[in-house]
Parts: sequence; structure tokens; C-alpha cells
Amino acid sequence: AQSVTQLGSHVSVSEGALVLLRCNYSSSVPPYLFWYVQYPNQGLQLLLKYTSAATLVKGINGFEAEFKKSETSFHLTKPSAHMSDAAEYFCAVRVISSGSARQLTFGSGTQLTVLP
Amino acid sequence: DADVTQTPRNRITKTGKRIMLECSQTKGHDRMYWYRQDPGLGLRLIYYSFDVKDINKGEISDGYSVSRQAQAKFSLSLESAIPNQTALYFCATSDGRTDTQYFGPGTRLTVL
Repeated sequence: AQSVTQLGSHVSVSEGALVLLRCNYSSSVPPYLFWYVQYPNQGLQLLLKYTSAATLVKGINGFEAEFKKSETSFHLTKPSAHMSDAAEYFCAVRVISSGSARQLTFGSGTQLTVLP
Repeated sequence: DADVTQTPRNRITKTGKRIMLECSQTKGHDRMYWYRQDPGLGLRLIYYSFDVKDINKGEISDGYSVSRQAQAKFSLSLESAIPNQTALYFCATSDGRTDTQYFGPGTRLTVL
């Protein structure tokens, strides 16, 4: 079965500092991995996704993530945090269930706080 | 206009009441999903539908039912609401090719 684990339910960084949000996956098949962001009082929106092409994936708003098979990780990074990055971030993995139905399974989320 | 809309955005109801949450999309996607979000638990899948005649239970379907009235509409019902169904509910759509899901703004449901 495929799953993701997000390490750290809350992360605080200073404005201008590096952002690192951790996600580890478990998958018996080559995974498709996603990062979504949820701003206050809004739905989730896609930041970036990995679909077995380049291992370094660039997304919106200066975020990127690197797929590391040896570490089963897909951590999200941004070199310099901005106040507007404060939000909740979710890692997700594509799951192939019985009958080949494809869904996403989400991690529990990481709340990012950016300090002035 | 938003591609995925949900109504109502907020709802307070009492235990035992029947509640319907509605979702509409203009993205032309075949696939639609209902999730609930609880603090610390992320999003959990309630039901999903890959076309009008296809309805599937997700991880936590007990106490919920759905109806796919048309390609663009997918409703979630709570037949007899209970307090532990208090949560944020999201509808999402996808086209089936990319697996990317597009989310509505959510409905905050409180059951007293």
C-alpha cells in the first residue's frame, strides 16, 4: 500500500530563511508524488508534482522538491521564506487500488509559520 | 468564476438532521471526490466517482452517502448528522490523465 508521512506538524522559520518541509513515502510501485498548499480559508492548490521524469521538480512561488528513491523522500524546499508562504502544506501520493482505480492519499499536513 | 464551487460555505446544524453539501465544477472533469479535513489528520477520502454511473466508497464512508447528478455535480449527504462529523469538507475533481486534483473552497460543517 502507498502512504506518505510528514515529519513535523508545525514548522517555524524567519522571513528570508530556508524552508524545509519533510515528506517520506512508502510505495511498492514507482510513486507519483504531490505537494499541495492550503492558505487560510481556502481549498488546496497544487504546488508541484513528481511523475517519474526529472527528480528535481520546480513548482509555483519558488518552491521545489527533490525525489530521492534511496531515502524514500520528497522534501519541499524554498531558499528564502516570505510572509505570504505561511500556510498548511500537504504531501500526497498516488494510490492504485483494486481495479486499477487511482486516488491520492494525503499526509497529515505541516503548518508553516513565517516569523518577521 | 471559480472552477470548483461548494455550497454552502458554512453550515451549523443539530444532531439527527439531514444535511446535503453540494459541489459543482466547470472544468469538464469526469472524476469527482469528497474529502473531510480534521486537524492533525490531513484529508481523508469519503467517496469518489469516476463518471456519472460510477460511485465508490473511500476510506471513511460510514454515515455518508453521495449522488452524482450529472458530470458536473456531486453531492454529499449526511442522513443523520452527529457531532463527530463536524469538520471541513472538500470537493475535488480530476481529469484522470494527470491525477492532479483541483479543490473547491470547502464547507465548514458544525454539528451541535
